[in-house]
Amino acid sequence: AQSVTQPDIHITVSEGASLELRCNYSYGATPYLFWYVQSPGQGLQLLLKYFSGDTLVQGIKGFEAEFKRSQSSFNLRKPSVHWSDAAEYFCAVGAGSGYSTLTFGKGTMLLVSP
Amino acid sequence: EPEVTQTPSHQVTQMGQEVILRCVPISNHLYFYWYRQILGQKVEFLVSFYNNEISEKSEIFDDQFSVERPDGSNFTLKIRSTKLEDSAMYFCASRTDYTGSPLHFGNGTRLTVT
Repeated sequence: AQSVTQPDIHITVSEGASLELRCNYSYGATPYLFWYVQSPGQGLQLLLKYFSGDTLVQGIKGFEAEFKRSQSSFNLRKPSVHWSDAAEYFCAVGAGSGYSTLTFGKGTMLLVSP
Repeated sequence: EPEVTQTPSHQVTQMGQEVILRCVPISNHLYFYWYRQILGQKVEFLVSFYNNEISEKSEIFDDQFSVERPDGSNFTLKIRSTKLEDSAMYFCASRTDYTGSPLHFGNGTRLTVT
């Protein structure tokens, strides 16, 4: 069965600093990988997805993620964090029909300090 | 941009009562999902629904749960006899029909069972 590990429960980053959120997955085939963000009281918003091709994928809000098969990782990055990026971030792997049955990680809460 | 809407945003019910959580998926989407997130835990897949029938379900989705698309726009989750451990945030999601199309999530319904 597939699984996703997000090793950091909380991360605090200064505004303007760079960000990297870690995600490791376990899946028996080529994974479909996603990053979602959840602001307080909101639903899950898709940041970006990886299916195949270029291993560096660009998403919304200036985020990018790099798929590294050898490390089973799909880390999320942003070169300069804004205060509005404070939220919880979820990595997910897709399986099942249409690769849309998502298995989520536990999430990483991003705090942005002034 | 079209979005998935869920009602109510918060539902309080007594143990043993039936609840129905309602969702209006994006209008041209064909696949529908329910996920839940118990406080402090992962977002978990419950069920997927396509062509008026369940296409996949998790072990969480036992006989107490049912889903229905009663008309052309609504998608409901019914819990027949709620238990304390059903307290969670329930997310509805939908997607189009191409492989790997991302899920679009609603803002969730917080269910509190007392």
